[in-house]
Amino acid sequence: DIVMTQSPDSLSVSLGERATINCKSSQSLLYSSNNKNYLAWYQQKPGQPPKLLIYWASTRESGVPDRFSGSGSGTDFTLTISSLQAEDVAVYYCQQHYGIPPRTFGQGTKVEIK
Amino acid sequence: EVQLVESGGDLVQPGGSLRLSCGASGFTFSTYAMSWVRQAPGKGLEWVSGVSGGGGTTYYADSVKGRFAVSRDNSKNTLYLQMSSLRAEDTAVYYCAKERSDYPANRDFDYWGQGTLVTVSS
Repeated sequence: DIVMTQSPDSLSVSLGERATINCKSSQSLLYSSNNKNYLAWYQQKPGQPPKLLIYWASTRESGVPDRFSGSGSGTDFTLTISSLQAEDVAVYYCQQHYGIPPRTFGQGTKVEIK
Repeated sequence: EVQLVESGGDLVQPGGSLRLSCGASGFTFSTYAMSWVRQAPGKGLEWVSGVSGGGGTTYYADSVKGRFAVSRDNSKNTLYLQMSSLRAEDTAVYYCAKERSDYPANRDFDYWGQGTLVTVSS
């Protein structure tokens, strides 16, 4: 199974500052036939289900603010919040959907306000 | 508007059984793969099981293989998870999640339900 590892486990960022979360997969998530990375990012606020933010590693889901961006390819990916807002306090998960299941998630990164 | 509503969560004794349901609306249910994802208290997300749009292809996490069975009734727009031989470590909120397409396209989860709590304890 593909193992997903996020770093850091938690981070504290001042309002308006940049937050960066890393995600590494144990094998490449780049599918050569379509040049797509099978990597998604989700946001989970307390007491709520996860919400899809980014798919194909860098495509923002409809309605997601443009301060959220995804980058990376192959085995190394990054979620960036360009200017942290109070409503962005949450746990963020990366997830691979390469090939047949199992789907696997990173362990999560908790983002707090400094 | 896409809606996913889970039900069936309960307190059950170790070794017991339970069936979860997920009612879907707002999309053509039979044309999308669906999954169950769980979250133990204070822990991260764990994918549990997935089923193709037609119901003929199923997948399971190693942690539940042989104990859980996923199915769907497309005439009722409902996804199921039959859980047996339950253990304390199965205690979690169980979410149903819709994939953006059917297998074998292998896409992200674009919609999630609110979850239903399963507690396994004596």
